[in-house]
Amino acid sequence: EILLTQSPGTLSLSAGERATLSCRASQSVSSTYLAWYQQKPGQAPSLLIYGASTRAAGVADRFSGSGSGTDFSLTISRLEPEDSVVYYCQQYGSSPPTFGGGTKVEIK
Amino acid sequence: EVLLVQSGAEVRKPGESLRISCQVSGYSFTSYWIAWVRQMPGKGLEWMGIIYPGDSDTRYSPSFEGQVTISVDRAINTSYLHWSSLKASDSAIYFCARGLAVSAPSDYWGQGTLVTVSS
Repeated sequence: EILLTQSPGTLSLSAGERATLSCRASQSVSSTYLAWYQQKPGQAPSLLIYGASTRAAGVADRFSGSGSGTDFSLTISRLEPEDSVVYYCQQYGSSPPTFGGGTKVEIK
Repeated sequence: EVLLVQSGAEVRKPGESLRISCQVSGYSFTSYWIAWVRQMPGKGLEWMGIIYPGDSDTRYSPSFEGQVTISVDRAINTSYLHWSSLKASDSAIYFCARGLAVSAPSDYWGQGTLVTVSS
């Protein structure tokens, strides 16, 4: 089972700043099989990025994904207040699919 | 419009059985996999297993194999998650989610079902 470690656990930034979230895998993940989800309080997760760098339908272009091998990142170019939620990475290329522990983004 | 609508919150005692549901609409039920994901209170997401409604091909995470059963009823476009004997540690929110393949991201999610197991 591939272990995904997300860092930092909490990221505290001001609105308008750039946020970079990290997801590190215990073994190589094909970039085709890495996704990022956003979860707002009391709601189900929603797909942001798949294939490491492809935005899902309707996702704002301030969200971007990159990375390969064991190191992936999600970047929010200019933080907006509604981005202050939890983000999870997931690998779905190796069975079982696994999620990272999540990064909480806070707006100062 | 693609919708996955889950059954309502449940409260059970340890040792009791439970089945929760996920009814889909807005797409061909038999053409997409349905995954189940657990979220314990204040914690992250855990992938439990997945089923292909077309032929009921089912895969489980080793962590959940033998602990739950995933099934479908194609007549009513519904997937189920079943426990035969609940434990307090099964208290969590359970989500169903749609994916094009086992090796695919989940693009639509149900709203979640809160299960509370307490004596």
